[in-house]
Amino acid sequence: KQEVTQIPAALSVPEGENLVLNCSFTDSAIYNLQWFRQDPGKGLTSLLLIQSSQREQTSGRLNASLDKSSGRSTLYIAASQPGDSATYLCAVRLYNAGNMLTFGGGTRLMVKP
Amino acid sequence: DGGITQSPKYLFRKEGQNVTLSCEQNLNHDAMYWYRQDPGQGLRLIYYSQIVNDFQKGDIAEGYSVSREKKESFPLTVTSAQKNPTAFYLCASSIPIGQGARTEAFFGQGTRLTVV
Repeated sequence: KQEVTQIPAALSVPEGENLVLNCSFTDSAIYNLQWFRQDPGKGLTSLLLIQSSQREQTSGRLNASLDKSSGRSTLYIAASQPGDSATYLCAVRLYNAGNMLTFGGGTRLMVKP
Repeated sequence: DGGITQSPKYLFRKEGQNVTLSCEQNLNHDAMYWYRQDPGQGLRLIYYSQIVNDFQKGDIAEGYSVSREKKESFPLTVTSAQKNPTAFYLCASSIPIGQGARTEAFFGQGTRLTVV
């Protein structure tokens, strides 16, 4: 069964720092991996989608990389801002799991002004 | 605007009651999902549907039921058999694998269910 782990569980940084969030998964037969942002009491907002054949995707200050063979993905946030404070979740979709997403526990990020 | 609409935003259930959470999408997606989120935890899959009139149990289906009579709608009923229903419920939809390259999942804004 696919297991997804996110480290660290919580992170507090001063504004302006570059930071890296980690996601690891146990089954490398993934179809794609998706990073989400969740604000308190809200739904999930899709940030980046990486197909299994891709190595990275970029959107603005966000860059996500994928190393399928080692079962890892990282989300890099450049020049962090207080508005980046939220919980970040990664999720993987397997080829043979009926299209479901399996989620990690999330990283709760706080960026201090 | 295309998207997923969940209602209500807040729902209160008395002991022994069944309640139904609504999820509607206008993205023309075949696949729809229900997830449960408990405080400080990730999302756990309750039910999913890949096509109209078909659905499968996820990891924590006990005490829940669903229907998929229309492509746009995937309501979730929390029955009295669910012993600990207080949680945040999220609905999602996507294009299934095989229908296109970009099987990106989109989520609604959630329903917070509280047992009173």
